[in-house]
Amino acid sequence: GENVEQHPSTLSVQEGDSAVIKCTYSDSASNYFPWYKQELGKRPQLIIDIRSNVGEKKDQRIAVTLNKTAKHFSLHITETQPEDSAVYFCAARNSGYSTLTFGKGTMLLVSP
Amino acid sequence: KAGVTQTPRYLIKTRGQQVTLSCSPISGHRSVSWYQQTPGQGLQFLFEYFSETQRNKGNFPGRFSGRQFSNSRSEMNVSTLELGDSALYLCASSPGQGRDEQFFGPGTRLTVL
Repeated sequence: GENVEQHPSTLSVQEGDSAVIKCTYSDSASNYFPWYKQELGKRPQLIIDIRSNVGEKKDQRIAVTLNKTAKHFSLHITETQPEDSAVYFCAARNSGYSTLTFGKGTMLLVSP
Repeated sequence: KAGVTQTPRYLIKTRGQQVTLSCSPISGHRSVSWYQQTPGQGLQFLFEYFSETQRNKGNFPGRFSGRQFSNSRSEMNVSTLELGDSALYLCASSPGQGRDEQFFGPGTRLTVL
């Protein structure tokens, strides 16, 4: 089955800096890659996603890049703010199934 | 549209008991997936239902089961509870039929004593 590795497990940045979280996946048939943000005590929220026919997608301060050949995808957050502090999860979905396989999560801490 | 709802939000049970959790998806969504979230293992897939049929199942013992009703509401049941079943149980709804996005409910926090 699919295996998703996520790095780093924790990331501390200063407000205004950029943050990058990287994920690799094992199943070359995976074609959908969402990112979720989970604040303490809250549900995971979908913040951005990318499909395998696209290399990059942006939404304001966040962007996701996908390298199908290397089987890795990354989340980029620019001009970080304290409210960006949360746990971020990447996930991958195989085209033949609807289930998501999640990475272990990255705890992002943005200091003022 | 109203979001995904889950009941109850908190549960405390003792070993050996059984529990039933409920999930109401976003109106019009036909797919419901269940996940177990723990600090050590992260988010692990339990099973997925689409139009009352289980489409996929994760690597959990048979004590974990589920079902989906004709209105797309779903329930999961855990029998013979163990201490290790303590976790946040999240359901996620999706339109299905080629639409990928999954939206999570607030979860049910299950504590097994």
